[in-house]
Amino acid sequence: EAGVAQSPRYKIIEKRQSVAFWCNPISGHATLYWYQQILGQGPKLLIQFQNNGVVDDSQLPKDRFSAERLKGVDSTLKIQPAKLEDSAVYLCASTPSDLLGYGYTFGSGTRLTVV
Amino acid sequence: RKEVEQDPGPFNVPEGATVAFNCTYSNSASQSFFWYRQDCRKEPKLLMSVYSSGNEDGRFTAQLNRASQYISLLIRDSKLSDSATYLCVVNGADFGTGTSLTVIP
Repeated sequence: EAGVAQSPRYKIIEKRQSVAFWCNPISGHATLYWYQQILGQGPKLLIQFQNNGVVDDSQLPKDRFSAERLKGVDSTLKIQPAKLEDSAVYLCASTPSDLLGYGYTFGSGTRLTVV
Repeated sequence: RKEVEQDPGPFNVPEGATVAFNCTYSNSASQSFFWYRQDCRKEPKLLMSVYSSGNEDGRFTAQLNRASQYISLLIRDSKLSDSATYLCVVNGADFGTGTSLTVIP
C-alpha cells in the first residue's frame, strides 16, 4: 500500500512570499489532516477534511492560510503571505474514516523555512 | 491549559532498563488515545492504540486511566533503537509535546 505522499520535501522562501504544499493521501482514505509541527513541539492540527468537506479548521490562521481538497482526494495547503513564525514542518495525514478509533498515517512532511 | 500534557524529558536510560511515560489529558469525554513514535527529522509513526483494558505489544504496554485522565506507555528491556520522541494523541487532534527517550549503551 502506498503511503501518504507530500511535496515538496523542503522549501525556503522569504517572508511575505507565498508557498503551497501538496498532499496525496492513501487511496480510499476519506479523512485528511494538515498539521504544523514547530521544532520541539508536538504537531498542531490546522485543518481536517472529510472527503471534500471541512470538518475542523478552528486552528487554521485564516488570514494567511488556506487549504482545499476539491475532489476529495489530494489536497493543497497555501500560506500567503508567509511570516517568519511559519517556519515549521507541515505534515499531512490520512485515515480511512473520521471515526476516532483510527490511527493516522503521516506523510514525510514539508520542511518550510521562512527567511 | 493545554489539552494534552507530557513530560518532555529527556529520559536517558541504560539498555535493558524499563521506562514509563505518562500523558495527561483535560477532556474527560475523550474517546481515543494513541502513542506515536517520532524519530529525529522524521514523521510520527503509530506505535499503538490505547484501550480501556490496556494493551501490550511485545516490550510495549499502554494503559488508560480514565479516573485520573492519563495514559501511560511502558517500555521494557529498552533497546538502543527505542531512542526517539514518543507522542501521545487524544481524540486525534490533540498531540502532546512529546517525550524524548535516549537509550544509552
